[in-house]
Order: sequence, then structure tokens, then C-alpha cells
Amino acid sequence: EPEVTQTPSHQVTQMGQEVILRCVPISNHLYFYWYRQILGQKVEFLVSFYNNEISEKSEIFDDQFSVERPDGSNFTLKIRSTKLEDSAMYFCASRPGGTQETQYFGPGTRLLVL
Amino acid sequence: GEDVEQSLFLSVREGDSSVINCTYTDSSSTYLYWYKQEPGAGLQLLTYIFSNMDMKQDQRLTVLLNKKDKHLSLRIADTQTGDSAIYFCAEKHRGGGNKLTFGTGTQLKVEL
Repeated sequence: EPEVTQTPSHQVTQMGQEVILRCVPISNHLYFYWYRQILGQKVEFLVSFYNNEISEKSEIFDDQFSVERPDGSNFTLKIRSTKLEDSAMYFCASRPGGTQETQYFGPGTRLLVL
Repeated sequence: GEDVEQSLFLSVREGDSSVINCTYTDSSSTYLYWYKQEPGAGLQLLTYIFSNMDMKQDQRLTVLLNKKDKHLSLRIADTQTGDSAIYFCAEKHRGGGNKLTFGTGTQLKVEL
């Protein structure tokens, strides 16, 4: 069964550094999402992406964050200058579109900012 | 605003039924979901219910939706140790990017 994949599974970075989290959504899906889960807290929506543009973003998704679909398979989340509070598990999700509403999640990337 | 609440912990004996409850505030929610998260793992979709349904059964899982009270529950029959995990309910909102709002998660512990 097709799955959403994410790399790396873990990333440790220094405060102020840039990180790029990578996702490969399910191949025929059209809508893509990033969520994050700070340890012990709720899963929070960051951004949704469709047709090569952001369709919705949360207050968390400020100018430090950007998303890109650089080719036909990858979907990336870039954090320009990481802060300690960006430490979290970042989940990518995708859904087919049309009447198919269900979002399928990847295994997550655990980001630790030191 | 949008809010989804769940109780934090539930402990059951193996073989018993588990009932995990969720309340939400957005009356325009179209779909409601249950996801399972095992330790260190991602979010696994368990089941979902469309907002015009009252009940959905899927093998050991039964979802009940009370739209008037904005209350969702997940019943797991014959709970097994492998069901120990955190269970999140989530609601899908109309419009925009159709984002999901997640509950706090309920940690289910299954004891022998």
C-alpha cells in the first residue's frame, strides 16, 4: 500500500541554522500538508499546499517557514533560522483530492534545535 | 474558535471494551477522524465518519457521532495489548486547505 515517506527521521541542528525537512507524498495525491507536534502537546496544523501554492497557513507558519514542491515527487518544509521552540515532530500529510477527504500521514521527522 | 478536547488517559483490561471520547466546537466540521499513534511513530488513520452519519462500524471499531452535542466516541471491542497507544480525534473544516484540528490525544493503556 502506498505510503507518505519523510526524511530524515531525526535531525539535530544548532539554533539559527536552516533546516529542510523532506516528504514524498503518495504519488497520485494533489493536496499536501505540514503539521507539527511539540513534545506532549497537540498536533498543530502549519500549512496546506495545492496546485503549487499555499492554500492555508496557521499563525505558526511565519516568514521563517516556507514550503516547496521542487519536482513531481518531493514536498519540502524549510525553516530559515531555527529557534529552540521549533523543536518538535514534523508530520507531512497528503490527500488525493476531489471527494477523497482523508489525509494520510508520514512517520514524521523529529527536529531538535540546540 | 476551533477546539477539540479529549480525556488524557484511559486504562482497561485486555478483552474489555475501550471507549475514548472527544468533544469539538466547530459545527461546520464535515469529517471527523480517529488516528492512532504508537510510541515514536507517526499518525495512523484508524477510521473516520462523515458528519451526516450517527454511527460507523469497522471490525472491532465503532464510531458514534452526536452532532447536536458535538460529541464523538471511539469504541474498541475486545481490547488487546497491541491497542496501547495514543488516540487522537480530529475534525476537518470546510474550505481553505481543509486543515485538520486535532484533540489533545488519549493515552490508552491495556493491562493484562
